[in-house]
Amino acid sequence: QKEVEQNSGPLSVPEGAIASLNCTYSDRGSQSFFWYRQYSGKSPELIMSIYSNGDKEDGRFTAQLNKASQYVSLLIRDSQPSDSATYLCAVNRGNQAGTALIFGKGTTLSVSS
Amino acid sequence: GAGVSQSPSNKVTEKGKDVELRCDPISGHTALYWYRQSLGQGLEFLIYFQGNSAPDKSGLPSDRFSAERTGGSVSTLTIQRTQQEDSAVYLCASSSSIGGQGHFGDGTRLSIL
Repeated sequence: QKEVEQNSGPLSVPEGAIASLNCTYSDRGSQSFFWYRQYSGKSPELIMSIYSNGDKEDGRFTAQLNKASQYVSLLIRDSQPSDSATYLCAVNRGNQAGTALIFGKGTTLSVSS
Repeated sequence: GAGVSQSPSNKVTEKGKDVELRCDPISGHTALYWYRQSLGQGLEFLIYFQGNSAPDKSGLPSDRFSAERTGGSVSTLTIQRTQQEDSAVYLCASSSSIGGQGHFGDGTRLSIL
């Protein structure tokens, strides 16, 4: 089982719709969860972090975490064409200090105008 | 500088040559990570530094790969006797806390002929 799994997509949504991106992880001891956005040819850019079960909202973005189900998601409301990118889910490897972030392979999102 | 700086931005070299990639993290960031990303793939973890020590080097693919960090700042990733499968974008990230979100540099695009 891969440590962090995401559907590769592409996920296609019309402008103004809600985009829902999902991620599952295998290490039950993981404590920190991140969503990065990566435009083609660019490096990843952090957009959300979440550490506790539940929802965390930041502007049009909402991250959701369910540690019991080992599941983290990202909702993008009022999707814009500029949101078209690959979204990477990242999870810290364990619950000890000195751990590295492990990334999923990313979900490609396409927002059509 | 304001962000993570990587050099060179592009490197083309012949198979069998050694290469050195440099990462200058955000000032004051104690954690430094190296990843690589092959075309269309996710980020593959290579090594993590906390200060000058490397608690986790489990991602280094072979003994041809090594990395060091000096003065708690600049890090160098060295690949000896390069192979074509080493071709990828090598990304460096730094963070101010262990397991915290990483801020990425623009990467070094390495091409092995």
